[in-house]
Amino acid sequence: GNSVTQMEGPVTLSEEAFLTINCTYTATGYPSLFWYVQYPGEGLQLLLKATKADDKGSNKGFEATYRKETTSFHLEKGSVQVSDSAVYFCALGTNTGNQFYFGTGTSLTVIP
Amino acid sequence: DTGVSQDPRHKITKRGQNVTFRCDPISEHNRLYWYRQTLGQGPEFLTYFQNEAQLEKSRLLSDRFSAERPKGSFSTLEIQRTEQGDSAMYLCASSFVAGTSGGNEQFFGPGTRLTVL
Repeated sequence: GNSVTQMEGPVTLSEEAFLTINCTYTATGYPSLFWYVQYPGEGLQLLLKATKADDKGSNKGFEATYRKETTSFHLEKGSVQVSDSAVYFCALGTNTGNQFYFGTGTSLTVIP
Repeated sequence: DTGVSQDPRHKITKRGQNVTFRCDPISEHNRLYWYRQTLGQGPEFLTYFQNEAQLEKSRLLSDRFSAERPKGSFSTLEIQRTEQGDSAMYLCASSFVAGTSGGNEQFFGPGTRLTVL
């Protein structure tokens, strides 16, 4: 079946630190992979996506590479800011586009 | 277009009452999804529509839950005889999918937070 396993939080980092949030998946077929972000009091927003193996998604300094060999889609950012404090969700979308499977979310707090 | 909207944003009800939520998707999107999110968890799929047709329902969607999208535009989600375990955030999302292909991101609304007393 399809599922996503995401690094548990919460994660607390100092400003300008390096961020990695691990995400691994199990899938039938050829899924697309997504990272969504949820800021306090707001809805889910797409952060980045990758639709096939070896694709790299990037946005706002965040990056993630679709690794089929390790079934992973880890989120990275070289230098976090206080404004990056949010909950991050890894998601898998099936190739028929009928539903997404989400991880449990990782809460990130960046302190000045 | 201002994105996916949901109404109401918050609903408090007593156990046993019926509630109905509304979702207005992005206008050109043909697919509409409902998810449920409880505290500390990711969203869980409930059901989705392609235009007006409801194509898939999760086992989470008990007989007390019903969803409609009568004209292929807005959608409603009704919960009958609410239980305390129904307390959650109900999220709506929409996307445009051509044919049976995937890979398209889903755009989420702000959610309706339901509290059942």
